[in-house]
Amino acid sequence: GDSVTQMEGPVTLSEEAFLTINCTYTATGYPSLFWYVQYPGEGLQLLLKATKADDKGSNKGFEATYRKETTSFHLEKGSVQVSDSAVYFCALVSGSARQLTFGSGTQLTVLP
Amino acid sequence: DAGVIQSPRHEVTEMGQEVTLRCKPISGHNSLFWYRQTMMRGLELLIYFNNNVPIDDSGMPEDRFSAKMPNASFSTLKIQPSEPRDSAVYFCASRAGTDNQPQHFGDGTRLSIL
Repeated sequence: GDSVTQMEGPVTLSEEAFLTINCTYTATGYPSLFWYVQYPGEGLQLLLKATKADDKGSNKGFEATYRKETTSFHLEKGSVQVSDSAVYFCALVSGSARQLTFGSGTQLTVLP
Repeated sequence: DAGVIQSPRHEVTEMGQEVTLRCKPISGHNSLFWYRQTMMRGLELLIYFNNNVPIDDSGMPEDRFSAKMPNASFSTLKIQPSEPRDSAVYFCASRAGTDNQPQHFGDGTRLSIL
């Protein structure tokens, strides 16, 4: 079945540091890929998505590129802020499953 | 625009009691999802509906859990009888259109069973 493997956290960075959160997947066919973010006490929010190979999703300074050859969708940001502190979830949906398969989440803490 | 609305935000009740969680999806969305989030098991899909019809309830942990969607603007998740191991945050999400469209989540119901 489909699965998503995320870099284990927690990740702690200083403000303005470079962020990478690794995500790899296993899926049948050609899945759509997502990054969601969860701030404390809130539900998940879509951060960005990509629906086909080599697509780059971007939002709020975050980027991720759909790499079919490495089955990866790593999340990056060039300069993190304290307000980026949250839990980040990588997810996919494939034609066979019809619903999201989530990774385990990565807790990010950014220190001033 | 109003997002997905869940109620109550917090629920504390004693073991054995019936618990009902409520969800109002975004207007026009045709799919609705119920999730449970715990530290131990992360985010689990319990059930999802398409056009008010349950499509996949394989994630529902046991017969004590039931979900309904009587119309396009309302869904409930019921636990009867509740047990301490049901304590978790329960999220509802809705989605418009096809499978590769994003899901929109509510802020969740934090459930504590004593």
